[in-house]
Amino acid sequence: NAGVMQNPRHLVRRRGQEARLRCSPMKGHSHVYWYRQLPEEGLKFMVYLQKENIIDESGMPKERFSAEFPKEGPSILRIQQVVRGDSAAYFCASSPQNMNTEAFFGQGTRLTVV
Amino acid sequence: GENVEQHPSTLSVQEGDSAVIKCTYSDSASNYFPWYKQELGKRPQLIIDIRSNVGEKKDQRIAVTLNKTAKHFSLHITETQPEDSAVYFCAVLSGSARQLTFGSGTQLTVLP
Repeated sequence: NAGVMQNPRHLVRRRGQEARLRCSPMKGHSHVYWYRQLPEEGLKFMVYLQKENIIDESGMPKERFSAEFPKEGPSILRIQQVVRGDSAAYFCASSPQNMNTEAFFGQGTRLTVV
Repeated sequence: GENVEQHPSTLSVQEGDSAVIKCTYSDSASNYFPWYKQELGKRPQLIIDIRSNVGEKKDQRIAVTLNKTAKHFSLHITETQPEDSAVYFCAVLSGSARQLTFGSGTQLTVLP
Protein backbone atom coordinates (compact mmCIF):
# COMPACT_ATOMS: atom_id res chain seq x y z
CA ASN A 1 0.00 0.00 0.00
CA ALA A 2 1.77 3.10 -1.23
CA GLY A 3 -0.16 5.50 0.99
CA VAL A 4 -1.70 8.76 -0.14
CA MET A 5 0.15 9.98 -3.22
CA GLN A 6 0.23 13.62 -4.20
CA ASN A 7 1.87 15.13 -7.23
CA PRO A 8 3.63 17.20 -8.03
CA ARG A 9 5.56 17.73 -4.78
CA HIS A 10 6.55 21.22 -5.85
CA LEU A 11 4.80 23.45 -8.37
CA VAL A 12 5.80 26.89 -9.53
CA ARG A 13 3.31 29.00 -11.43
CA ARG A 14 3.31 32.57 -12.67
CA ARG A 15 0.47 34.84 -11.66
CA GLY A 16 -2.56 34.21 -13.86
CA GLN A 17 -1.68 30.61 -14.73
CA GLU A 18 -3.57 27.52 -13.66
CA ALA A 19 -2.40 25.06 -11.03
CA ARG A 20 -3.52 21.43 -10.96
CA LEU A 21 -2.81 19.36 -7.89
CA ARG A 22 -3.42 15.61 -7.88
CA CYS A 23 -4.17 13.21 -5.06
CA SER A 24 -4.49 9.45 -5.21
CA PRO A 25 -6.01 8.10 -1.99
CA MET A 26 -4.88 4.98 -0.22
CA LYS A 27 -6.22 1.75 -1.64
CA GLY A 28 -9.69 1.10 -0.31
CA HIS A 29 -10.26 4.71 0.74
CA SER A 30 -13.17 6.49 -0.89
CA HIS A 31 -13.12 9.73 1.11
CA VAL A 32 -10.74 12.53 0.14
CA TYR A 33 -10.10 15.82 1.92
CA TRP A 34 -8.06 18.80 0.81
CA TYR A 35 -6.40 21.13 3.31
CA ARG A 36 -4.29 24.24 2.79
CA GLN A 37 -1.39 25.20 5.04
CA LEU A 38 0.10 28.66 4.88
CA PRO A 39 3.69 29.07 6.15
CA GLU A 40 3.87 28.59 9.92
CA GLU A 41 0.12 28.14 10.20
CA GLY A 42 -2.28 25.29 10.81
CA LEU A 43 -4.22 23.22 8.33
CA LYS A 44 -7.37 24.81 6.97
CA PHE A 45 -10.11 22.59 5.55
CA MET A 46 -11.03 23.26 1.94
CA VAL A 47 -13.17 20.47 0.50
CA TYR A 48 -14.38 16.94 1.17
CA LEU A 49 -15.17 14.60 -1.71
CA GLN A 50 -16.28 11.08 -2.34
CA LYS A 51 -16.20 9.43 -5.74
CA GLU A 52 -18.05 11.71 -8.20
CA ASN A 53 -19.49 13.80 -5.36
CA ILE A 54 -18.54 16.96 -3.53
CA ILE A 55 -19.77 16.45 0.01
CA ASP A 56 -18.61 19.68 1.64
CA GLU A 57 -16.85 22.59 -0.03
CA SER A 58 -17.46 25.12 2.71
CA GLY A 59 -13.75 25.86 3.11
CA MET A 60 -13.01 26.49 -0.52
CA PRO A 61 -12.99 30.00 -2.01
CA LYS A 62 -15.98 30.50 -4.27
CA GLU A 63 -13.94 31.81 -7.17
CA ARG A 64 -10.98 30.30 -9.02
CA PHE A 65 -10.92 27.08 -6.94
CA SER A 66 -12.57 23.81 -7.91
CA ALA A 67 -12.16 20.15 -6.97
CA GLU A 68 -13.22 16.85 -8.36
CA PHE A 69 -12.87 13.16 -7.60
CA PRO A 70 -13.88 11.24 -10.72
CA LYS A 71 -14.93 7.64 -10.87
CA GLU A 72 -11.54 6.74 -12.30
CA GLY A 73 -8.31 8.47 -11.48
CA PRO A 74 -7.06 10.83 -8.80
CA SER A 75 -8.78 13.70 -7.09
CA ILE A 76 -7.80 17.04 -8.58
CA LEU A 77 -7.70 20.46 -6.95
CA ARG A 78 -7.66 23.16 -9.61
CA ILE A 79 -6.74 26.78 -9.01
CA GLN A 80 -7.33 29.12 -11.92
CA GLN A 81 -5.62 32.48 -12.43
CA VAL A 82 -3.32 31.97 -9.47
CA VAL A 83 -2.26 34.90 -7.31
CA ARG A 84 0.67 35.24 -4.88
CA GLY A 85 -1.66 34.61 -1.94
CA ASP A 86 -2.32 31.09 -3.25
CA SER A 87 1.26 30.13 -2.38
CA ALA A 88 0.95 27.43 0.27
CA ALA A 89 1.27 23.73 0.93
CA TYR A 90 -1.80 21.80 -0.14
CA PHE A 91 -2.36 18.50 1.64
CA CYS A 92 -4.71 15.75 0.69
CA ALA A 93 -5.95 13.19 3.20
CA SER A 94 -7.94 10.03 2.70
CA SER A 95 -9.93 7.77 4.98
CA PRO A 96 -12.08 4.69 4.54
CA GLN A 97 -15.06 6.56 5.93
CA ASN A 98 -15.48 9.99 7.42
CA MET A 99 -12.74 11.40 9.59
CA ASN A 100 -13.75 9.67 12.80
CA THR A 101 -11.14 7.10 11.94
CA GLU A 102 -7.52 7.74 11.19
CA ALA A 103 -7.03 9.98 8.20
CA PHE A 104 -3.76 9.57 6.29
CA PHE A 105 -2.13 12.59 4.74
CA GLY A 106 -0.12 12.77 1.57
CA GLN A 107 3.25 14.51 1.37
CA GLY A 108 1.64 17.67 0.09
CA THR A 109 2.14 19.90 -2.93
CA ARG A 110 4.04 23.10 -2.31
CA LEU A 111 2.70 25.73 -4.66
CA THR A 112 4.74 28.84 -5.27
CA VAL A 113 3.28 31.66 -7.31
CA VAL A 114 5.84 34.04 -8.78
CA GLY B 1 -18.59 26.15 13.21
CA GLU B 2 -16.07 24.51 15.49
CA ASN B 3 -13.44 26.74 17.08
CA VAL B 4 -10.21 25.08 18.23
CA GLU B 5 -7.58 26.96 20.22
CA GLN B 6 -4.15 25.52 20.92
CA HIS B 7 -1.54 26.65 23.46
CA PRO B 8 1.30 27.31 23.67
CA SER B 9 2.40 28.24 20.17
CA THR B 10 6.03 27.47 21.02
CA LEU B 11 7.48 25.25 23.72
CA SER B 12 11.09 24.52 24.58
CA VAL B 13 12.03 21.79 27.06
CA GLN B 14 15.21 20.11 28.14
CA GLU B 15 15.76 16.55 26.98
CA GLY B 16 14.18 14.17 29.48
CA ASP B 17 11.62 16.67 30.72
CA SER B 18 7.89 16.49 30.01
CA ALA B 19 5.93 18.58 27.53
CA VAL B 20 2.24 19.42 27.70
CA ILE B 21 0.16 20.99 24.93
CA LYS B 22 -3.46 21.97 25.47
CA CYS B 23 -6.41 22.52 23.17
CA THR B 24 -9.89 23.82 23.79
CA TYR B 25 -12.90 23.40 21.54
CA SER B 26 -16.34 24.94 21.30
CA ASP B 27 -18.78 22.24 20.11
CA SER B 28 -19.91 20.07 23.01
CA ALA B 29 -21.02 17.40 20.50
CA SER B 30 -17.44 16.86 19.30
CA ASN B 31 -16.50 13.22 19.57
CA TYR B 32 -13.05 12.55 18.14
CA PHE B 33 -9.76 14.23 19.07
CA PRO B 34 -6.55 13.24 17.25
CA TRP B 35 -3.08 14.70 17.58
CA TYR B 36 -0.74 15.04 14.62
CA LYS B 37 3.01 15.54 14.47
CA GLN B 38 4.52 17.39 11.54
CA GLU B 39 8.24 17.56 10.94
CA LEU B 40 9.63 20.31 8.78
CA GLY B 41 8.61 19.86 5.15
CA LYS B 42 6.77 16.62 5.82
CA ARG B 43 3.22 15.39 6.09
CA PRO B 44 1.18 15.50 9.31
CA GLN B 45 1.22 12.08 10.97
CA LEU B 46 -1.24 10.81 13.55
CA ILE B 47 0.48 10.06 16.86
CA ILE B 48 -2.46 9.43 19.17
CA ASP B 49 -6.21 9.96 19.28
CA ILE B 50 -9.03 9.78 21.79
CA ARG B 51 -12.79 9.49 21.56
CA SER B 52 -15.38 11.19 23.70
CA ASN B 53 -16.25 8.08 25.68
CA VAL B 54 -12.69 7.84 27.08
CA GLY B 55 -10.95 10.17 29.53
CA GLU B 56 -7.35 9.18 28.96
CA LYS B 57 -5.26 7.16 26.56
CA LYS B 58 -1.59 6.30 26.69
CA ASP B 59 0.90 4.95 24.19
CA GLN B 60 4.43 4.58 25.59
CA ARG B 61 5.74 8.12 26.20
CA ILE B 62 2.66 9.84 24.77
CA ALA B 63 -0.68 10.32 26.48
CA VAL B 64 -3.82 12.31 25.78
CA THR B 65 -6.39 13.41 28.35
CA LEU B 66 -9.89 14.67 27.63
CA ASN B 67 -12.12 16.77 29.84
CA LYS B 68 -15.51 16.89 28.14
CA THR B 69 -17.08 19.14 30.76
CA ALA B 70 -14.45 21.81 30.31
CA LYS B 71 -14.11 21.08 26.58
CA HIS B 72 -10.37 20.70 26.56
CA PHE B 73 -7.87 17.97 25.82
CA SER B 74 -4.13 17.79 26.27
CA LEU B 75 -1.12 15.99 24.83
CA HIS B 76 1.52 14.83 27.29
CA ILE B 77 4.97 13.72 26.17
CA THR B 78 7.24 12.32 28.87
CA GLU B 79 11.01 11.74 28.76
CA THR B 80 11.30 13.98 25.72
CA GLN B 81 14.00 13.29 23.13
CA PRO B 82 15.47 15.56 20.44
CA GLU B 83 13.56 13.61 17.77
CA ASP B 84 10.32 14.75 19.42
CA SER B 85 11.09 18.24 18.09
CA ALA B 86 8.36 19.09 15.56
CA VAL B 87 5.10 20.98 15.20
CA TYR B 88 2.18 19.31 16.95
CA PHE B 89 -1.43 19.90 15.90
CA CYS B 90 -4.56 19.02 17.77
CA ALA B 91 -7.74 18.41 15.79
CA VAL B 92 -11.42 18.00 16.54
CA LEU B 93 -14.22 16.23 14.73
CA SER B 94 -17.35 18.04 15.79
CA GLY B 95 -20.75 16.44 15.94
CA SER B 96 -22.10 18.08 12.85
CA ALA B 97 -18.96 18.16 10.72
CA ARG B 98 -17.44 15.39 8.70
CA GLN B 99 -13.92 16.73 8.59
CA LEU B 100 -11.32 17.70 11.16
CA THR B 101 -10.81 21.24 12.43
CA PHE B 102 -7.17 21.80 13.39
CA GLY B 103 -5.55 23.93 16.03
CA SER B 104 -2.89 26.44 15.05
CA GLY B 105 0.02 24.22 16.07
CA THR B 106 2.74 24.12 18.72
CA GLN B 107 6.42 24.21 17.77
CA LEU B 108 8.11 21.89 20.27
CA THR B 109 11.87 22.10 20.62
CA VAL B 110 13.69 19.56 22.77
CA LEU B 111 17.09 20.87 23.78
CA PRO B 112 19.86 18.28 24.17
